[in-house]
Amino acid sequence: GAVVSQHPSWVICKSGTSVKIECRSLDFQATTMFWYRQFPKQSLMLMATSNEGSKATYEQGVEKDKFLINHASLTLSTLTVTSAHPEDSSFYICSAGGTGQYSNQPQHFGDGTRLSIL
Amino acid sequence: EDKVVQSPLSLVVHEGDTVTLNCSYEVTNFRSLLWYKQEKKAPTFLFMLTSSGIEKKSGRLSSILDKKELFSILNITATQTGDSAVYLCANQGGKLIFGQGTELSVKP
Repeated sequence: GAVVSQHPSWVICKSGTSVKIECRSLDFQATTMFWYRQFPKQSLMLMATSNEGSKATYEQGVEKDKFLINHASLTLSTLTVTSAHPEDSSFYICSAGGTGQYSNQPQHFGDGTRLSIL
Repeated sequence: EDKVVQSPLSLVVHEGDTVTLNCSYEVTNFRSLLWYKQEKKAPTFLFMLTSSGIEKKSGRLSSILDKKELFSILNITATQTGDSAVYLCANQGGKLIFGQGTELSVKP
């Protein structure tokens, strides 16, 4: 069964709307989760590392005020795309596992969220 | 800069063919090499390789790692149309560093 759950799977909304995406680890507690973005025909690009109880670590070029990450519990991280615009349309994927006490295990991915901004 | 490179970038074969996908890496913090299969949704896990020379198998898929030459291969024998997907390899050393992926298309 699924190890990581991501919701919603698909969002269509108007420009200027803020969109929240949830990522839950189902069978384990994840002190670290990861958020990726994927454009068509491209590989996954890491946006940020979400750390439970502390600030997220953003990759170079990713606007932290645009992509707000909250990791308030050991099983839930959220990504909020604030004031979304058409160029933010993409496939957003979270992952968990493969770190800390689970470093000898692979990261598992949520099913992804397809975001379309009109 | 850490780098993972896959080849070929795309491949078209016919059902029943055998394919070999390549992944080379240059990373400062190697812990394990992962292979994923991605169809329409997020990647699904295939293999995790940490030791050189030990082949991992799952049905028609197999993979092996060479830590001296810094590469891994993924073999698929007797390919089926359902194997059509993007195959991604990644270095897991804290965070995942992905290659560009190989897009495999298996024709009937």
